[in-house]
Amino acid sequence: GDSVTQMEGPVTLSEEACLTINCTYTATGYPSLFWYVQYPGEGLQLLLKATKADDKGSNKGFEATYRKETTSFHLEKGSVQVSDSAVYFCALSGTDSWGKLQFGAGTQVVVTP
Amino acid sequence: EAGVAQSPRYKIIEKRQSVAFWCNPISGHATLYWYQQILGQGPKLLIQFQNNGVVDDSQLPKDRFSAERLKGVDSTLKIQPAKLEDSAVYLCASSLDRNRGREGYTFGSGTRLTVV
Repeated sequence: GDSVTQMEGPVTLSEEACLTINCTYTATGYPSLFWYVQYPGEGLQLLLKATKADDKGSNKGFEATYRKETTSFHLEKGSVQVSDSAVYFCALSGTDSWGKLQFGAGTQVVVTP
Repeated sequence: EAGVAQSPRYKIIEKRQSVAFWCNPISGHATLYWYQQILGQGPKLLIQFQNNGVVDDSQLPKDRFSAERLKGVDSTLKIQPAKLEDSAVYLCASSLDRNRGREGYTFGSGTRLTVV
């Protein structure tokens, strides 16, 4: 079945450092790929998405590119802020899933001043 | 546009008791999802409705969990009897329809259940 694997956390880094969170997936066909973010004490928010191969999703300085050849969707940000501290989830919606999301385990990111 | 509304925000119950959660989706959204998020894990789909019909309930523990979506609008999720391992955040989400669900959707703030 469909599955998502993302790097374990916590990831701790200083303000203005570069962030990369690796995400790979297993799915048949061409799934849609997402990054969701969960800030402390808040609900899940859609951060960015890509619905076909080579698409790049971007939002709030974050980017991720849908790589079909490596089945990856790594999240990147060039300069993080303390406010980016959160748990980040990679997810996919399979071709025949009718919107069902398969999530990774989440990666906690802690940004220190 | 108002978001997905859920209540209550928090609930503490003893094991073997029953509990119910309520969700009101975004107006006009035909598809409604209930997810369970256990601490330290990603959310897992419990049940998906299209209008008032069930599309997918393959991961719903039907011996203790039930859900309904009367009139195709708001929905309730019930657990009876609760077990310790049901402690989790229960998230509701909605999308215009099943196809649009593949474009991503909005989650409610969730209900945090603690079973003691």
